[in-house]
Parts: sequence; structure tokens; C-alpha cells
Amino acid sequence: NAGVTQTPKFQVLKTGQSMTLQCAQDMNHEYMSWYRQDPGMGLRLIHYSVGAGITDQGEVPNGYNVSRSTTEDFPLRLLSAAPSQTSVYFCASSYWAAANTEAFFGQGTRLTVV
Amino acid sequence: RKEVEQDPGPFNVPEGATVAFNCTYSNSASQSFFWYRQDCRKEPKLLMSVYSSGNEDGRFTAQLNRASQYISLLIRDSKLSDSATYLCVVNRDAGGTSYGKLTFGQGTILTVHP
Repeated sequence: NAGVTQTPKFQVLKTGQSMTLQCAQDMNHEYMSWYRQDPGMGLRLIHYSVGAGITDQGEVPNGYNVSRSTTEDFPLRLLSAAPSQTSVYFCASSYWAAANTEAFFGQGTRLTVV
Repeated sequence: RKEVEQDPGPFNVPEGATVAFNCTYSNSASQSFFWYRQDCRKEPKLLMSVYSSGNEDGRFTAQLNRASQYISLLIRDSKLSDSATYLCVVNRDAGGTSYGKLTFGQGTILTVHP
């Protein structure tokens, strides 16, 4: 019963490097999203997707790209890492069609950009 | 002004105490309301949804006041295991494909001590 799986759990990048954070869910959820969590800021929405082939920007999209080729997978790409992207990243999924729907989160990726 | 505001605490209470957390939201069109719990270095998990009529789950009671745009969480008979960060979460959009697009408060830290 995997739920939402994120990889890697930890990553250190040098400024300017690129990488992809992986997210997969096995609950057949239409809605998937990426958040970043910084101290004192709460979770902030980066990008989201309401189904395969459909993505949109959230509150803090700059420096990140996403794609959704399948229902299960929603990778987040950092194009050119900057120290300001040091954060904890959470992927989440839910049934989007219902109010009061529960969001299920992955275990998070702790990213440090030096 | 942040869309969802919480008192960050920290709240330090003895076992058995009753503690209350408050949260305000700025968008009157918000439709769904939740409390999530986040343990240290873990992912957020749904604690309970919040309904207009108020709802209770064991030692936890949630209240919603739409007129004042105010949400509360009451924990009775606190346990050591209640120590966590409590996140106030709002679905601020009116519906359709917006379900699942959540806005988080910065969280309230609770520590229950023996």
C-alpha cells in the first residue's frame, strides 16, 4: 500500500545544477501537486495537475517545471538550482472532484543548494 | 496579509490540559477547511475536516465561523503523542477543478510535557 512515493529523500546540489524530483502515486488520483515548505512560511504551492497532460502554476512556480504524462507520475524539475530553492519539497495527490477531499503527501525531499 | 494565518506558538502544555488553536482566512469564497497534523520531519497528514456545524473526533473538536472567517481546533486531555505542528488548511477556490488546491497556514507548534 505505497500511497505517494517521493524520491530522493535527500539531495545536495551545486548552484546551477539541474535535477528532477520524482513523485508517483498508486491511488488513481486525478489531482497531484508540489509544495515547498520553508520555516515560518507554511507549505506553498509550486505547480499542480488535474489530470494527465494538464498542468498549471501555483503560488511560487519560478525556477520549476512539471509535466504529467501519466496519471501516476508527476515529476518536478529544477532547471538551474539556486540557494533560494533550498527547502523541503512535498508531493501530494487527491481526488479533485470532491470537496473536503483528503490530500495524501509523500515523505518529502530535503533539498540543499550550495 | 497572509491568506491563512495561525498563531505559530509554540504552545507548551502539561499532559491532560485542554488547548485551543485558532486560524483566520481572508478569502470569503473559501469552501473547504481542514486541520492537518505534521510530526517533526514528516509529511502532513489529515487530522480532520471542519464543517460549519462543528465536528468532533474523540478528543478533538473543530469549529468553523464563516461570518468571522475563523477556524478553531480544541484538544482535550492532551497526550504526549499530540506533540506536533498543527496546520490550518483552506481550499480557497469555489469549486470545479480547484478542489485539492490548498492554502496552508504556517502551523502551530504544540509540545505536551509530562
